[in-house]
Amino acid sequence: KQEVTQIPAALSVPEGENLVLNCSFTDSAIYNLQWFRQDPGKGLTSLLLIQSSQREQTSGRLNASLDKSSGRSTLYIAASQPGDSATYLCAVLHNTDKLIFGTGTRLQVFP
Amino acid sequence: KAGVTQTPRYLIKTRGQQVTLSCSPISGHRSVSWYQQTPGQGLQFLFEYFSETQRNKGNFPGRFSGRQFSNSRSEMNVSTLELGDSALYLCASSLDPGGYQPQHFGDGTRLSIL
Repeated sequence: KQEVTQIPAALSVPEGENLVLNCSFTDSAIYNLQWFRQDPGKGLTSLLLIQSSQREQTSGRLNASLDKSSGRSTLYIAASQPGDSATYLCAVLHNTDKLIFGTGTRLQVFP
Repeated sequence: KAGVTQTPRYLIKTRGQQVTLSCSPISGHRSVSWYQQTPGQGLQFLFEYFSETQRNKGNFPGRFSGRQFSNSRSEMNVSTLELGDSALYLCASSLDPGGYQPQHFGDGTRLSIL
């Protein structure tokens, strides 16, 4: 059974810091991995999608890496801003064609 | 381009009642998936519809059902509501099924059971 874990559960950093969010999964048989952000009371916004054959994806200040063999992904946020405050979720597309979500990391960036 | 629209945004029901939630996907998107989000269980997959057919299903009881119409709009129904059904129900759409492309989420329907 695929399980997805995110560490840390919560993170509070001052503005301007570079930070790393971690995601681990137990079964390496995945098709892709996606990172989302969720603002309070809102739905999810897709940030990055990494296919299983890829190592990383970049969008602006965000960089996501994938190491399928070790069951790990990281989301790197450069020069964090208060607007980055949200919950970040990773999800893996398992061979059952279902997205399995992680537990999320709640990020707060203070001025 | 309009995003995914879910109605209603908030709903209060009592135990034993039934409820229907609606989701209008992004224009051109043919796949609609439903998820339940709770503080204890996180985000869990309910089901996926494509071309008016249920393509995939999560581990939820038969009280949870859905359907998709020819214009790709989808509804989910929960019968005989229980306190544990209180949750944020999220709908997501994508061009094609299976989660191989980015999914676009609506803001959800928050269902509270009294």
